[in-house]
Amino acid sequence: AQTVTQSQPEMSVQEAETVTLSCTYDTSESDYYLFWYKQPPSRQMILVIRQEAYKQQNATENRFSVNFQKAAKSFSLKISDSQLGDAAMYFCAYRTAQWGDMRFGAGTRLTVKP
Amino acid sequence: DTGVSQDPRHKITKRGQNVTFRCDPISEHNRLYWYRQTLGQGPEFLTYFQNEAQLEKSRLLSDRFSAERPKGSFSTLEIQRTEQGDSAMYLCASSPPQRGTYNEQFFGPGTRLTVL
Repeated sequence: AQTVTQSQPEMSVQEAETVTLSCTYDTSESDYYLFWYKQPPSRQMILVIRQEAYKQQNATENRFSVNFQKAAKSFSLKISDSQLGDAAMYFCAYRTAQWGDMRFGAGTRLTVKP
Repeated sequence: DTGVSQDPRHKITKRGQNVTFRCDPISEHNRLYWYRQTLGQGPEFLTYFQNEAQLEKSRLLSDRFSAERPKGSFSTLEIQRTEQGDSAMYLCASSPPQRGTYNEQFFGPGTRLTVL
């Protein structure tokens, strides 16, 4: 069974600094997708960034980038120039190319200090 | 279209009662998903529809749970004989017709269920 592990329940970063959130996963599949979702307090979950496993190049979306290490089954999220609005729960998620459901990690609560 | 909507946003019920939640996906999204999220955890998959067909159900979906999507548009999730362990946030997500092998899931705000 595929599992997703986020080993950092909470992280804190100073505004304008950089923070990295960790995620590891376990799968026997070779083709899959990885995601980072953001869930602000009392608001709905939104997609931050995604990575296709067949792509070697790490995905980037403005201040957000990932470090995808397929052999190590690691998928970390780097947030550069952190802003107060980045404060939220961040969930790492996995989906195979074949099935529809996603498997989520337990989440990392990110606090941004002014 | 403002996104996936869910109703109600909050539901408090007594143990043993039945509850029903509704999800309206983004129009033209043919896939609809239900997840359950307990406090301090990530969402857990419950079930998945493509149009009106329920294609996959998690083992988490006991026989007290039933989901429908009768016309391939909105969906309902019913929980019969609620238990305190059913207290959670129930999330709905939808995604558009598949392009290649990837499609993004768009989440609704969730329905928070409290069973007393």
